[in-house]
Amino acid sequence: GESVGLHLPTLSVQEGDNSIINCAYSNSASDYFIWYKQESGKGPQFIIDIRSNMDKRQGQRVTVLLNKTVKHLSLQIAATQPGDSAVYFCAENTPRASYDKVIFGPGTSLSVIP
Amino acid sequence: DTGVSQNPRHKITKRGQNVTFRCDPISEHNRLYWYRQTLGQGPEFLTYFQNEAQLEKSRLLSDRFSAERPKGSFSTLEIQRTEQGDSAMYLCASSPGGRPGYTFGSGTRLTVV
Repeated sequence: GESVGLHLPTLSVQEGDNSIINCAYSNSASDYFIWYKQESGKGPQFIIDIRSNMDKRQGQRVTVLLNKTVKHLSLQIAATQPGDSAVYFCAENTPRASYDKVIFGPGTSLSVIP
Repeated sequence: DTGVSQNPRHKITKRGQNVTFRCDPISEHNRLYWYRQTLGQGPEFLTYFQNEAQLEKSRLLSDRFSAERPKGSFSTLEIQRTEQGDSAMYLCASSPGGRPGYTFGSGTRLTVV
């Protein structure tokens, strides 16, 4: 069946260091992969997406890498800040007949040490 | 428009009672989604509306669950005869289509005691 999973459930990094959050997926039919950030008491917030025909995409302080050969996705956060502390979900966007269905993985909790 | 709004933020109910949650999507978004999230897990898809039409329902949505979007704007999710296993965060999201990803609300946290 469809599944999106993460290698590590928790990650602690020193403020100012770079963070790398990994994700494995199994469904090759997705057209986009998406990273969400969820802070305590809030809903998931869209960070960045990458189309399935791309290998890399950069945003502001974030970079997403996609390796379709091994079905691996990663999110890199540069110069991690305390405000980056949250749970990060990778998700896959699977096109349906009339809409796009987003399927989430279990999440990685990122803690930034001041 | 300040985003997707969900009410109430928290709901505590006794087992066997009915509860109803409301979601107000971003006004120009015709697509609306309900998800359920338990502690430590990613959100799980429940159902999808395009305008007022409910086009997909997950098998997670038992007969005790019903969702509506009567005028294609706000949506309600009702759970009848609540069970302790229904305790979770219920998230609503909306999108305009044409791009991946949704805008989520802050959710309604349901606790069944």
